[in-house]
Amino acid sequence: GAVVSQHPSWVICKSGTSVKIECRSLDFQATTMFWYRQFPKQSLMLMATSNEGSKATYEQGVEKDKFLINHASLTLSTLTVTSAHPEDSSFYICSARPVLSYNEQFFGPGTRLTVL
Amino acid sequence: AQKVTQAQTEISVVEKEDVTLDCVYETRDTTYYLFWYKQPPSGELVFLIRRNSFDEQNEISGRYSWNFQKSTSSFNFTITASQVVDSAVYFCALSGNNNAGNMLTFGGGTRLMVKP
Repeated sequence: GAVVSQHPSWVICKSGTSVKIECRSLDFQATTMFWYRQFPKQSLMLMATSNEGSKATYEQGVEKDKFLINHASLTLSTLTVTSAHPEDSSFYICSARPVLSYNEQFFGPGTRLTVL
Repeated sequence: AQKVTQAQTEISVVEKEDVTLDCVYETRDTTYYLFWYKQPPSGELVFLIRRNSFDEQNEISGRYSWNFQKSTSSFNFTITASQVVDSAVYFCALSGNNNAGNMLTFGGGTRLMVKP
């Protein structure tokens, strides 16, 4: 149980295009999902916290207009990187916290984005 | 503010050696949770352990053991008789009960290389 999927697992796009990454909790409902970014040989940095049905809360320094987050249901959150540039190339990881859970997060396998 | 420090950025050992990965944390929360994750080259985070701040008992799981010392704010991880498959980046993380969404704060990670 407690499986989180991400799609796509990797994507290569041209500079200026937008890319959407999906995060799904497959066998549980999640009121809260988290989006992290990881640059090579670095740690995971929280980008935003997304709650179902409400606006995401972004961490300092993360542009909300560039990284659009939608959490329309209890099993799906999406991250859209708009007008991607090479510096957005990174490994994006989502996690989901089950409803009524406390301090438990289940991580997706990650999405590797390369912007040419 | 929360902070997790993993002072060792890289450790290299020979197979069958024991190795300890250090983790020191800072938090003002009275209740908090500590985690260890393994990130193999594939990138997917593998959950290893979660420990709450009221449980200072050491834990052993096979070749893995954890030493939680609240007095020194440390939560160290030891691998006994290391194997090549243990090669990965290991992250220590902290989650408090006073911050919005119970977000995880990750340490910088320790890259463990186990040589045959």
